[in-house]
Amino acid sequence: DIQMTQSPSSLPASVGDRVTITCRASQSISIYVNWYQQKPGKAPKLLIFNASNLQGGVPSRFSGSGSGTDFTLTISSLQPEDFATYYCQQGYSTPSTFGPGTKLEIK
Amino acid sequence: EGQLLESGGGLVQPGGSLRLSCAASGFTFSNYAMTWVRQAPGKGLEWVSGITGSGGSTYYADSVKGRFTISRDNSKNSLDLQMSSLRAEDTAVYYCAKGATPGGWNWFDPWGQGTLVTVSS
Repeated sequence: DIQMTQSPSSLPASVGDRVTITCRASQSISIYVNWYQQKPGKAPKLLIFNASNLQGGVPSRFSGSGSGTDFTLTISSLQPEDFATYYCQQGYSTPSTFGPGTKLEIK
Repeated sequence: EGQLLESGGGLVQPGGSLRLSCAASGFTFSNYAMTWVRQAPGKGLEWVSGITGSGGSTYYADSVKGRFTISRDNSKNSLDLQMSSLRAEDTAVYYCAKGATPGGWNWFDPWGQGTLVTVSS
């Protein structure tokens, strides 16, 4: 199975900050990484698919990049509603696997 | 985009069985693979099982293989997960989610609201 790691596990930040979350795969997975946002008590929400494609309705302050084994999710200017947990997921092979999550917290 | 609504969760004793259901609407159900993902309390996301749009192929995580069975009824726009020989470590919120294509689930969107399964005596 492909292992996904994320860093950092926790990220204190302030409104207006630019933040970057990193995801690394245990083997090359081309561009097949997706990013999700999850708020407490809610289902995950797809933000980015295939590394850099913004899902419809997602604000343009979210962006993704990367290929191979290293990927990033960037939020250009944090808004209050962005404080949540973010997960990467590989769609390259079955079983699909998720990273352990990055909790974006208010500094 | 569509909507998904899970049901069937609850409290079950270790070794027991439970059947989860997911009702789909707002998209052509048979055109998409479907999947179940779970989240143990306070933990991350774990892919559990998937089924192709036709229902012809099914896939399972090693942790549930031989105990869980995924199925779908395209005439009723419904997805099921039959769970047996349940263990304490199966305790989680179970989400159904729509895959990206008929044959697979590169990404998952949308997700249902989830249903809680608690395995405890």
